[in-house]
Amino acid sequence: GAVVSQHPSRVICKSGTSVKIECRSLDFQATTMFWYRQFPKKSLMLMATSNEGSKATYEQGVEKDKFLINHASLTLSTLTVTSAHPEDSSFYICSAKSAGGGEQYFGPGTRLTVT
Amino acid sequence: DAKTTQPPSMDCAEGRAANLPCNHSTISGNEYVYWYRQIHSQGPQYIIHGLKNNETNEMASLIITEDRKSSTLILPHATLRDTAVYYCIVRLQNTGNQFYFGTGTSLTVIP
Repeated sequence: GAVVSQHPSRVICKSGTSVKIECRSLDFQATTMFWYRQFPKKSLMLMATSNEGSKATYEQGVEKDKFLINHASLTLSTLTVTSAHPEDSSFYICSAKSAGGGEQYFGPGTRLTVT
Repeated sequence: DAKTTQPPSMDCAEGRAANLPCNHSTISGNEYVYWYRQIHSQGPQYIIHGLKNNETNEMASLIITEDRKSSTLILPHATLRDTAVYYCIVRLQNTGNQFYFGTGTSLTVIP
């Protein structure tokens, strides 16, 4: 199946700083990418949908100014957590789909810890 | 919002078939049923999807009832590596429509 990578896999940052997470589709062009967060022992919660070259669409309750999403190319989307706080500590997962496909392919996730 | 309900947990003996049920009573005519699984601290892995016919691939079989209000994912010979949380999702095909994950079923394969 298609491969999606995320970088970094783990990151620890101090409260008040910003951190960027990259999501790449390695062997296909991803017209749409999705960002999820997952708290321990909970299900994945969709944060936002991004289409290449346009602004992301955020789910209700997700602050767009805090979680900045950029999808500037067909193989790369980034999520920047701005002014991070300990409650932002979570497992962030991206997924990608191609224009003709129905399946979403998920990245391995990024574990963010804010101290 | 998730449109599916699944039992929170199940056990299965190694080597036996694991049958994971999912209810999706409000599914619409053009929505597909997708199954993913998530092994601890990894991203979800695609398993299989279908519309109304039963489907089979190298990983699993998907049985969808005639009224499409429920389905069953079958892992024919469960191994310890199949221990994971299994998610059943309904969604329109070939659109930008999002996946909304429910709580899933935590399957434990017992030696």
